[in-house]
Amino acid sequence: DAKTTQPNSMESNEEEPVHLPCNHSTISGTDYIHWYRQLPSQGPEYVIHGLTSNVNNRMASLAIAEDRKSSTLILHRATLRDAAVYYCILIQRGYSTLTFGKGTMLLVSP
Amino acid sequence: EAGVAQSPRYKIIEKRQSVAFWCNPISGHATLYWYQQILGQGPKLLIQFQNNGVVDDSQLPKDRFSAERLKGVDSTLKIQPAKLEDSAVYLCASSLGRRTVKNTEAFFGQGTRLTVV
Repeated sequence: DAKTTQPNSMESNEEEPVHLPCNHSTISGTDYIHWYRQLPSQGPEYVIHGLTSNVNNRMASLAIAEDRKSSTLILHRATLRDAAVYYCILIQRGYSTLTFGKGTMLLVSP
Repeated sequence: EAGVAQSPRYKIIEKRQSVAFWCNPISGHATLYWYQQILGQGPKLLIQFQNNGVVDDSQLPKDRFSAERLKGVDSTLKIQPAKLEDSAVYLCASSLGRRTVKNTEAFFGQGTRLTVV
């Protein structure tokens, strides 16, 4: 599986935007970029995924670099409930195996 | 829609004892995963089933861990005998699993926290 690199932790203030980066320089043309998050004492939950174009859903936006070697998960207005570990995962088209790295722990202050 | 159900939520056992975890995936989900999550780390895939067949068990310590998914629905994960380093949260997840990207979205249960003393 292609590897991803994320910062260990990031901090934000409530109601401010948060940009969580992910580097995946060895991504292949058939790898989809998925983001999951894990709230304290919970199992991970799906956030968003994309291939080449930027994507938006009710939870977040995903901005994908033109060369696809990096992506950014954007939370438009962080809330205390968004404090979690965020995982960036590459999944090859046609496959369904989720391989988690260490992720980024997001701390949100009031 | 009911989520992924796991039981028990917590378990404390002594080393060398055996333990079993149960998972009931979301109805209709063909793919079932078992993950081990040690404190401070990301989840590590132990085994992945597609219906009742094994897709990937490369990281399952087969000398002590076993898993089955009879009839392609419920699954059990067993550890026998347990070691101190098996203390972790064991997460079960399921997905539709058909070969489209949308159907790879995985839904996780709340996990079973195992403490081996």
